[in-house]
Amino acid sequence: DAGITQSPRHKVTETGTPVTLRCHQTENHRYMYWYRQDPGHGLRLIHYSYGVKDTDKGEVSDGYSVSRSKTEDFLLTLESATSSQTSVYFCAISRQGKTDTQYFGPGTRLTVL
Amino acid sequence: TQLLEQSPQFLSIQEGENLTVYCNSSSVFSSLQWYRQEPGEGPVLLVTVVTGGEVKKLKRLTFQFGDARKDSSLHITAAQPGDTGLYLCAGSNFGNEKLTFGTGTRLTIIP
Repeated sequence: DAGITQSPRHKVTETGTPVTLRCHQTENHRYMYWYRQDPGHGLRLIHYSYGVKDTDKGEVSDGYSVSRSKTEDFLLTLESATSSQTSVYFCAISRQGKTDTQYFGPGTRLTVL
Repeated sequence: TQLLEQSPQFLSIQEGENLTVYCNSSSVFSSLQWYRQEPGEGPVLLVTVVTGGEVKKLKRLTFQFGDARKDSSLHITAAQPGDTGLYLCAGSNFGNEKLTFGTGTRLTIIP
């Protein structure tokens, strides 16, 4: 299994509070991705990174920010959580991007009350 | 936004039966991947197809990429309970690093 961990694995928070999710990899892969998974929508890309300090938006980036100060860590921040951000969040990594295999972490289940 | 529609959304069949699930789009993709996801886990890559008309086999699973690179199918022969899961297709677009995921087919194989 690819060395990807996500923390926390479960979190319950209240509307309006800031939340940070962490993705950590031990594979030294260049590309890292944050997705959210909701029933009927499959996986939707929030943000991705193609190197340290190099990030770009995905299709559902509003309300989310990311940072990548080290190759191994990719942080996803919800500045002010809303109930619509209740979801399961997955981090993924890939060596070369595009057609290369994406390896997924175990997911973080976030509930915003 | 490029969309990938998967059908059926849900499928429940008896062990030993054959099945086909579909992944369709109006857009052309440079390649297409199929993933399987089990409850409580992240998706795991099954196969990548990159050439129009390409067929790949993985034991009892057969994957086909449409000639026009807009659609794909996954055929399972003699389904087994271990095939149960959420099947996701994902298309790669020319010129960028992102995958577009389909809506998924949730497959249940009844022993």
